[in-house]
Amino acid sequence: GAGVSQSPRYKVAKRGQDVALRCDPISGHVSLFWYQQALGQGPEFLTYFQNEAQLDKSGLPSDRFFAERPEGSVSTLKIQRTQQEDSAVYLCASSLVARQGQYFGAGTRLSVL
Amino acid sequence: DQQVKQNSPSLSVQEGRISILNCDYTNSMFDYFLWYKKYPAEGPTFLISISSIKDKNEDGRFTVFLNKSAKHLSLHIVPSQPGDSAVYFCAASSIQAGTALIFGKGTTLSVSS
Repeated sequence: GAGVSQSPRYKVAKRGQDVALRCDPISGHVSLFWYQQALGQGPEFLTYFQNEAQLDKSGLPSDRFFAERPEGSVSTLKIQRTQQEDSAVYLCASSLVARQGQYFGAGTRLSVL
Repeated sequence: DQQVKQNSPSLSVQEGRISILNCDYTNSMFDYFLWYKKYPAEGPTFLISISSIKDKNEDGRFTVFLNKSAKHLSLHIVPSQPGDSAVYFCAASSIQAGTALIFGKGTTLSVSS
């Protein structure tokens, strides 16, 4: 498809389990972003890639969160030892250049029990 | 400390009338503003943006106004249609903040026919 694709759409994890969330950006988009959206809140920035380089990870809430984009296309957000407070929708967005309108995927809803 | 505030959680408008969604910001370094629309179970969809060098940008039924002195922007939808019913997010960015978008909490717009 032409849009940003995220998988899985839903993930249920037991506390302490590791999870991996995948993002396929729009083809040719250099910039890729991860956001976390808690219930009733707006998306909050986690990290930014330009091609394969992670240029900003200031929003990652702890060292349990790790993101990569090894070939400058698909990206994976990994959360180790999940906690209940990690429950949220994780949104991926891409753009042709940074600071243009970002195009979002449908998100992965993570529930940690 | 919220840098982007949408003080109205919800707004109800009749079909054909004007919808006005408001957004206030506190960071005077913000220089690029965007509006997104979000339907349930979908990611945010980019609607319209405005640079701080302008005070108005129009795209079809959507117009965004920026008042820098008041640190306020608004989105006007004329005429409103039932399909416009969604959550609307205001977002801002600055070179200082890098490429991250800072979002408000959103306003739920309901357009009745």
